[in-house]
Amino acid sequence: AQRVTQPEKLLSVFKGAPVELKCNYSYSGSPELFWYVQYSRQRLQLLLRHISRESIKGFTADLNKGETSFHLKKPFAQEEDSAMYYCALVYGGATNKLIFGTGTLLAVQP
Amino acid sequence: SQTIHQWPATLVQPVGSPLSLECTVEGTSNPNLYWYRQAAGRGLQLLFYSVGIGQISSEVPQNLSASRPQDRQFILSSKKLLLSDSGFYLCAWSVQGSRGYTFGSGTRLTVV
Repeated sequence: AQRVTQPEKLLSVFKGAPVELKCNYSYSGSPELFWYVQYSRQRLQLLLRHISRESIKGFTADLNKGETSFHLKKPFAQEEDSAMYYCALVYGGATNKLIFGTGTLLAVQP
Repeated sequence: SQTIHQWPATLVQPVGSPLSLECTVEGTSNPNLYWYRQAAGRGLQLLFYSVGIGQISSEVPQNLSASRPQDRQFILSSKKLLLSDSGFYLCAWSVQGSRGYTFGSGTRLTVV
């Protein structure tokens, strides 16, 4: 069965430090992965998707099929990056269902 | 523009009372619709999804049910709430063929 694992519940870093939020997945098919973010008092929103190979707000994520990982990275953290981050995997074909990890709270200290 | 409305924002209900949470989507047709729940300390769990009017699929057995009476309306219900139904409920939609979700603002349900 499909699974998404985010091993860290909380990641605390100082402003300007590099950030890496870990995500590992288990899926028998060809994976399609996303990162969603929820800032304080805001809705859960899409941050980026692996298929787009994009950089959003300085964040990037590379799909590593050998390690079944999709870690989210940013070279220099900003205070406004503080939020809850969820890794998610699509499954179920046309039904487009998402399975989420348990989330990592990123706290960027000044 | 495409928007999603979810209400109420918070709800406190006694055990055994009924529940009705509503979600409506604007600016799109024939969306896939989803209900997720986030319990304390756990990730988002898919409860129900719908690919069309009247079509409901349940992901996990539970005390809840869902209905889609109109193309852009998705309702989560219960006849008798349990304490374990407490949590944060999120509605979401996606356009068929697209993989990204748009989420509602969520409902915080506390069963007392």
